[in-house]
Amino acid sequence: EAQVTQNPRYLITVTGKKLTVTCSQNMNHEYMSWYRQDPGLGLRQIYYSMNVEVTDKGDVPEGYKVSRKEKRNFPLILESPSPNQTSLYFCASSLSNPSGYNEQFFGPGTRLTVL
Amino acid sequence: ELKVEQNPLFLSMQEGKNYTIYCNYSTTSDRLYWYRQDPGKSLESLFVLLSNGAVKQEGRLMASLDTKARLSTLHITAAVHDLSATYFCAVEGADSNYQLIWGAGTKLIIKP
Repeated sequence: EAQVTQNPRYLITVTGKKLTVTCSQNMNHEYMSWYRQDPGLGLRQIYYSMNVEVTDKGDVPEGYKVSRKEKRNFPLILESPSPNQTSLYFCASSLSNPSGYNEQFFGPGTRLTVL
Repeated sequence: ELKVEQNPLFLSMQEGKNYTIYCNYSTTSDRLYWYRQDPGKSLESLFVLLSNGAVKQEGRLMASLDTKARLSTLHITAAVHDLSATYFCAVEGADSNYQLIWGAGTKLIIKP
């Protein structure tokens, strides 16, 4: 089944304890992206990657890191989480098809709480 | 800077009624996407609109794009409870380097 998977789905942690949220897709997509969703603020992009070893900042990159060493994986790293990073996180991917449009397919989400 | 505005942000309606959600955007684009999100769930792609005048239909939902007016509409015909969800539009601007700019979402509640 074609899908985007994220782990963990739920995480409660404490301020300053490094964590990684994994994202993997099995659709051979070039493009991958991380979003956070907060009530009243909609979806905001954190980082994106156009292909392996190519990453760029989105609208709210502060406090986050990413890497894209393999096409299928795009982990999100919080080196020193803070309470303002409590949010619902989504990973998404899309195929850079010949038409070049960006229909994104989303993972199930990771609900993160930082105490 | 591309901005995307959805109206209304909240809509409560009765089953069987028709209604339209509007998505306005501020700069040139001919690529617009509609997504659905059920409470506590992920986002699901509904429609991809890639040219002026594009119209897509799936069941009771129909989406259209007017690039001259910078407007897309999502029309709901004879609403049923199962269509209760939050609907997002997202626009890929001409100079956006492939990125999507998202509307705030329209929370739709359909009452029996």
